[in-house]
Amino acid sequence: AQSVTQPDIHITVSEGASLELRCNYSYGATPYLFWYVQSPGQGLQLLLKYFSGDTLVQGIKGFEAEFKRSQSSFNLRKPSVHWSDAAEYFCAVVSNFGNEKLTFGTGTRLTIIP
Amino acid sequence: EPEVTQTPSHQVTQMGQEVILRCVPISNHLYFYWYRQILGQKVEFLVSFYNNEISEKSEIFDDQFSVERPDGSNFTLKIRSTKLEDSAMYFCASRAQGVTCFFGQGTRLTVV
Repeated sequence: AQSVTQPDIHITVSEGASLELRCNYSYGATPYLFWYVQSPGQGLQLLLKYFSGDTLVQGIKGFEAEFKRSQSSFNLRKPSVHWSDAAEYFCAVVSNFGNEKLTFGTGTRLTIIP
Repeated sequence: EPEVTQTPSHQVTQMGQEVILRCVPISNHLYFYWYRQILGQKVEFLVSFYNNEISEKSEIFDDQFSVERPDGSNFTLKIRSTKLEDSAMYFCASRAQGVTCFFGQGTRLTVV
């Protein structure tokens, strides 16, 4: 069965520092990968996605992610975080083509300190 | 920008009562989903709906749950007799022919 692992439950970074959130997936074929963000009291907002092609994808709010097939990873990065980036971040993979249901990781909670 | 709209944002109900969670998907979308997130846990798939029928459901989606698209715009999730463990955030999502799902803001259901 497909699965997504986000090894970091909680990360704290200083405002202005760089950020990398890890995501590993288990999937037999080429995956469709997503990062969603959930701000406090909000729904799930799509940050970026990878289907094929260039393995470095750009998203909204200055985020990017890199797909590495050899490592089964799709890590999310941002060069300089802002206080408004404090949120929960979910990595997800499409696990059933035809139905396109999403399998989510457990999420990483990001705290920003001044 | 079109968005998925869910109502209410928060619902409190007594155990054993029926609740209906409502969603208005993006207008030209064809595929509809319900997911839920129990507090502190991951977002998990409940059910998918296409062409007026359920296309897939998870083990969680037992006989207490049902979905309906009563008209051309609404998509509802009904829980017939709520249990304490149904307390969660419920997300509606929709997509067009592409793979990308768009999520609503969620309905926080609290069963007391």
